[in-house]
Amino acid sequence: DIVMTQTPLSSPVTLGQPASISCRSSQSLVHSDGNTFLSWLQQRPGQPPRLLIYKISNRFSGVPDRFSGSGAGTDFTLKISRVEAEDVGVYYCMQATQFPHTFGQGTKLEIK
Amino acid sequence: QLQLHESGPGLVKPSETLSLTCTVSGGSIISSTYYWGWIRQPPGKGLEWIGSIYYSGSTNYNPSLKSRVTISVDTSKNHFSLKLSSVTAADTAVYYCVVATPRAPAYWGQGTLVTVSS
Repeated sequence: DIVMTQTPLSSPVTLGQPASISCRSSQSLVHSDGNTFLSWLQQRPGQPPRLLIYKISNRFSGVPDRFSGSGAGTDFTLKISRVEAEDVGVYYCMQATQFPHTFGQGTKLEIK
Repeated sequence: QLQLHESGPGLVKPSETLSLTCTVSGGSIISSTYYWGWIRQPPGKGLEWIGSIYYSGSTNYNPSLKSRVTISVDTSKNHFSLKLSSVTAADTAVYYCVVATPRAPAYWGQGTLVTVSS
């Protein structure tokens, strides 16, 4: 299985300031078709997860443009340009290049 | 927009079979664009992918659960189902059905808590 490792596991951030979460995979996520199936999910307290970013950097429908994804190969980053109160929750990276699909441990974003 | 809703017993006895159904509305389950899957989350913990199915019936399961898992699709009812046999307390979790496109879990049900206890 591909192991997904996120850092940090907890991120206290001041409102209006940027935030960044890293995700590293134990092997390349480049699929044989040339795509890299790396997604980012947000889970607000008491809610199901929600897709933010797919294929490294594509924002899903309705996701604010303050969220952006980048990276390649085995190293990926989610950035929030200016954190808002509604961004509090746990963020997961997920790979779907190889079965079984696997998730990072989650990064808890909280407001200072 | 697709909407998903999980249904099934909230309490299952150890060694029995957990059975859940995901009803899809707002779109057809007969689509080559999507695949349909299940993800679970033990209380206070992270996410675990259980498996997925295409409308054609082709499946992929997590090897850690493979011998106990069956995912099926009923196109006539526009729903898909999960069966997990020989459950133990370790299978206690919130179970989510999801629709993935392209290989990203784009739509989620609200989730249903299944507790394994006698």
